[in-house]
Amino acid sequence: GAVVSQHPSRVICKSGTSVKIECRSLDFQATTMFWYRQFPKQSLMLMATSNEGSKATYEQGVEKDKFLINHASLTLSTLTVTSAHPEDSSFYICSARWGDRYNEQFFGPGTRLTVL
Amino acid sequence: LAKTTQPISMDSYEGQEVNITCSHNNIATNDYITWYQQFPSQGPRFIIQGYKTKVTNEVASLFIPADRKSSTLSLPRVSLSDTAVYYCLVGDQGGKLIFGQGTELSVKP
Repeated sequence: GAVVSQHPSRVICKSGTSVKIECRSLDFQATTMFWYRQFPKQSLMLMATSNEGSKATYEQGVEKDKFLINHASLTLSTLTVTSAHPEDSSFYICSARWGDRYNEQFFGPGTRLTVL
Repeated sequence: LAKTTQPISMDSYEGQEVNITCSHNNIATNDYITWYQQFPSQGPRFIIQGYKTKVTNEVASLFIPADRKSSTLSLPRVSLSDTAVYYCLVGDQGGKLIFGQGTELSVKP
């Protein structure tokens, strides 16, 4: 299958700082990327959908100004957690898909964010 | 939106066949059924997808009855490395994957 990478794999930051997480499709052009959040012992929760060159679509209850998503190229999407707080500590996972909605999504390895 | 229901957890022993059933009573005509596997602190991994009857690949089989209101993921001869959470997803929710609670499978020696 196709490869999706995330960077960093884990990050620890102080409360109030901003953290950027990168998601890259390494061997295909991702027209759509998705960002998920997963708390311990819970399922993945979809945060937003981003299409290359357009604004991200956020799921209900997800703060747009808190979680900034940029999908500037067909191989890169970034999630910036602004003014992070301890409750933002979570496992963030991206997935990427090329083409239309019926194509398979490929998931990244995830990024563990810990806010002190 | 089609909702899925799976057992929260299952236990098995190495070498056994494991069957995880997922209920999806409200599945739509065009919906496919997809199963993902997730290990701790990793992203989900695609296992298998089907529409009806039986689908088999190198790692699993998927059984779907005629009414398509349920599906069963079958893992032949599990090993310790199959310990993971298994998610059943139905449809694509307009291109989005919505994960349910999943089944935590524990394989013991």
